[in-house]
Amino acid sequence: DAKTTQPPSMDCAEGRAANLPCNHSTISGNEYVYWYRQIHSQGPQYIIHGLKNNETNEMASLIITEDRKSSTLILPHATLRDTAVYYCIVRAPRAGGTSYGKLTFGQGTILTVHP
Amino acid sequence: GAGVSQSPSNKVTEKGKDVELRCDPISGHTALYWYRQSLGQGLEFLIYFQGNSAPDKSGLPSDRFSAERTGGSVSTLTIQRTQQEDSAVYLCASIGGSSYEQYFGPGTRLTVT
Repeated sequence: DAKTTQPPSMDCAEGRAANLPCNHSTISGNEYVYWYRQIHSQGPQYIIHGLKNNETNEMASLIITEDRKSSTLILPHATLRDTAVYYCIVRAPRAGGTSYGKLTFGQGTILTVHP
Repeated sequence: GAGVSQSPSNKVTEKGKDVELRCDPISGHTALYWYRQSLGQGLEFLIYFQGNSAPDKSGLPSDRFSAERTGGSVSTLTIQRTQQEDSAVYLCASIGGSSYEQYFGPGTRLTVT
């Protein structure tokens, strides 16, 4: 799976958009970009994923650059409950062989939303 | 239930004792994963089940760790002769249907004293 680089921490004011960047310059053609988050003392939560087109769901938007070497997760109106560690992961949806689907989380970005 | 459940939520055990951790995946989900997360660290993959078989056990740190899954549903992770370095949050996740999204349980916090 391609390696990702994220800033260790970010702050955001409540009600404003939170834009979390991720670099994945070694991404290969069949690898998707996934975002998960982990709120303190809870299990990780899936947010969104995409291949090359921008994606939007009820939680967030995912913007992937044309060369696919970086992406940005956008929380359009951050709330205090969005304070969490956000993980960007790049992998093929079916890794094949015996390594189907396992996730490898790096350190992620600690997003703090303040009033 | 609606989500992945794990039990117990917390477990404190003495060094050298055996522990069993349980995971109930989302009904119908065929793939099940065990991870652990040490304080302030990312996820560490342990084992993956497809149905009742485990094609990938590469993450189990030692032969003290084992896991099984029965009926394509409930899974149990067993740690024998626990050591202090086994202290961590043990997370279970499942996947099913056409989605590749992993749904995680709340985890079991294991403390070995």
